[in-house]
Amino acid sequence: LAKTTQPISMDSYEGQEVNITCSHNNIATNDYITWYQQFPSQGPRFIIQGYKTKVTNEVASLFIPADRKSSTLSLPRVSLSDTAVYYCLVVPWSGAGSYQLTFGKGTKLSVIP
Amino acid sequence: KAGVTQTPRYLIKTRGQQVTLSCSPISGHRSVSWYQQTPGQGLQFLFEYFSETQRNKGNFPGRFSGRQFSNSRSEMNVSTLELGDSALYLCASSLEPSVDTEAFFGQGTRLTVV
Repeated sequence: LAKTTQPISMDSYEGQEVNITCSHNNIATNDYITWYQQFPSQGPRFIIQGYKTKVTNEVASLFIPADRKSSTLSLPRVSLSDTAVYYCLVVPWSGAGSYQLTFGKGTKLSVIP
Repeated sequence: KAGVTQTPRYLIKTRGQQVTLSCSPISGHRSVSWYQQTPGQGLQFLFEYFSETQRNKGNFPGRFSGRQFSNSRSEMNVSTLELGDSALYLCASSLEPSVDTEAFFGQGTRLTVV
């Protein structure tokens, strides 16, 4: 499983765009990059997933360069409710229809009024 | 639609006892995974079930076990509880165990071992 490295914490003011970068140097050809968000005492919530280039949904954008050794989660105009821990995951496709999510330490994002 | 339901939400047990936690996946979801979250170790994968079969298992002792029923509901059991088993236990369900299928997590069961 490819190991991920992301900043332990980040601070941002309300209304700003936040970019959280994740490093995954040993990513394999069939691996996908997935981001989850977790609030205290709740289960993680899926944010976005991608394989390469750029993916955008109503919540965030995910940028993945051609070498796929890193990825950047972009949150536009954050609000106080975006204060949470954000996890970057590399999800392998085993081919056997079985997979597990391997969570790292995550990035604790604090949004300041 | 209803989300993933975990019961009970909170539990206090004594060392040496055993405990059973329950997870009801989203209707139609056939894959259920379990995770343990502690402040020290973070979120760790326990096991995954699909069609009543354990497909994958994390690095946990044999005291941790689980099963899945024909209606996709799942239970996990921890025997001979230790203080270190105090954690938030999370269940996630997905349509199938596929990399491009989103996993939906429940709110978890907070287990405290005293």
